[in-house]
Amino acid sequence: DVKVTQSSRYLVKRTGEKVFLECVQDMDHENMFWYRQDPGLGLRLIYFSYDVKMKEKGDIPEGYSVSREKKERFSLILESASTNQTSMYLCASTPGQPPYEQYFGPGTRLTVT
Amino acid sequence: SQQGEEDPQALSIQEGENATMNCSYKTSINNLQWYRQNSGRGLVHLILIRSNEREKHSGRLRVTLDTSKKSSSLLITASRAADTASYFCATNFGNEKLTFGTGTRLTIIP
Repeated sequence: DVKVTQSSRYLVKRTGEKVFLECVQDMDHENMFWYRQDPGLGLRLIYFSYDVKMKEKGDIPEGYSVSREKKERFSLILESASTNQTSMYLCASTPGQPPYEQYFGPGTRLTVT
Repeated sequence: SQQGEEDPQALSIQEGENATMNCSYKTSINNLQWYRQNSGRGLVHLILIRSNEREKHSGRLRVTLDTSKKSSSLLITASRAADTASYFCATNFGNEKLTFGTGTRLTIIP
């Protein structure tokens, strides 16, 4: 079975801190994604990566950056956390070929105070 | 903007009844997928239907797709308490990305 793990289930940070969220998948998937999920807004794509060291902006990249130094690991970085970044963050991966079924991690609930 | 919109936003039914939720989308798709999310957890893939398919079954799940109306429905038969979750449709246009709807919150009353 595909396994996608995220570094923390719950995280509390202060405004202005630099925050790292890490995601690891064990199925050699080419594509990896970071979403945030907020009530009433569904899942919104922040960034995705289709190969090592490659990244593309999603729908809401402002205030975030990403890093993919190894194929299995995709990190989301909040350069200076703000209260409006309090959210559930979900990582997903998918193989490089269609139909692109996504495999999700358990999520990280981030609270910025 | 969101591609998929689920309807209803919330649904409560008695255990044993059937649950139907709908998804509408705006542009042509390659495939449509349904996912389940238990409270506070990640999403789990349930079923995928390609644009050239009209109906697909998986266990107690039945999915239909009407590309002329740009809509899909997910039917869960003989519901169980464990089916309580949020259900999301996601559309794929042939590249690596999916666009998710806002979800239907299903509650099964024992």
